Amino acid sequence: AQKVTQAQTEISVVEKEDVTLDCVYETRDTTYYLFWYKQPPSGELVFLIRRNSFDEQNEISGRYSWNFQKSTSSFNFTITASQVVDSAVYFCALSDRFTGGGNKLTFGTGTQLKVEL
Amino acid sequence: DAGVIQSPRHEVTEMGQEVTLRCKPISGHDYLFWYRQTMMRGLELLIYFNNNVPIDDSGMPEDRFSAKMPNASFSTLKIQPSEPRDSAVYFCASSFWTGNTEAFFGQGTRLTVV
Repeated sequence: AQKVTQAQTEISVVEKEDVTLDCVYETRDTTYYLFWYKQPPSGELVFLIRRNSFDEQNEISGRYSWNFQKSTSSFNFTITASQVVDSAVYFCALSDRFTGGGNKLTFGTGTQLKVEL
Repeated sequence: DAGVIQSPRHEVTEMGQEVTLRCKPISGHDYLFWYRQTMMRGLELLIYFNNNVPIDDSGMPEDRFSAKMPNASFSTLKIQPSEPRDSAVYFCASSFWTGNTEAFFGQGTRLTVV
């Protein structure tokens, strides 16, 4: 069955610290997609990144970077030089052909990130 | 495009009342999803549509829940009768088919059943 595990329930850091949010997934499919979404205190879900199973290249976007490792079934998210505005709940999600493909997402339980001054 | 639009943003209703949540997807998207977010169960998919047709409603918790998509620009999620345990944030999302694109979420409807 498809499963996404975010073992870190809550992380607190001081501004400017680097922080890594862990995501481990399970799927029987060889073709799948991984996502990260951000949910700020205002409540909306904001898309951050999508990665397909055939592309293990790491990605960097400003202060954000993602490390995809199929060997460990992990898709970790690092924020460099964290800022107070990064405070939010971050969700990792998976879609594969067994879940119906497309954007039928299985979400992890989320990691609450608190960045303090 | 204005993004996925949900209404109302907040809804407070009494137990036993009918509740209707509304969603306008992004124009051109052929998939529409309804998710529910609770503290206990996190984010879970309730139902999704492709080209206005319900494809998988296995996530709908009970017969009290129903969803429709009468046209490509409008969907409803109805709960009748509502119960306190239905209190949650309900999200609507839309996307193109392929997983190689992201789903765009609405701002959610926070439902409180008292």
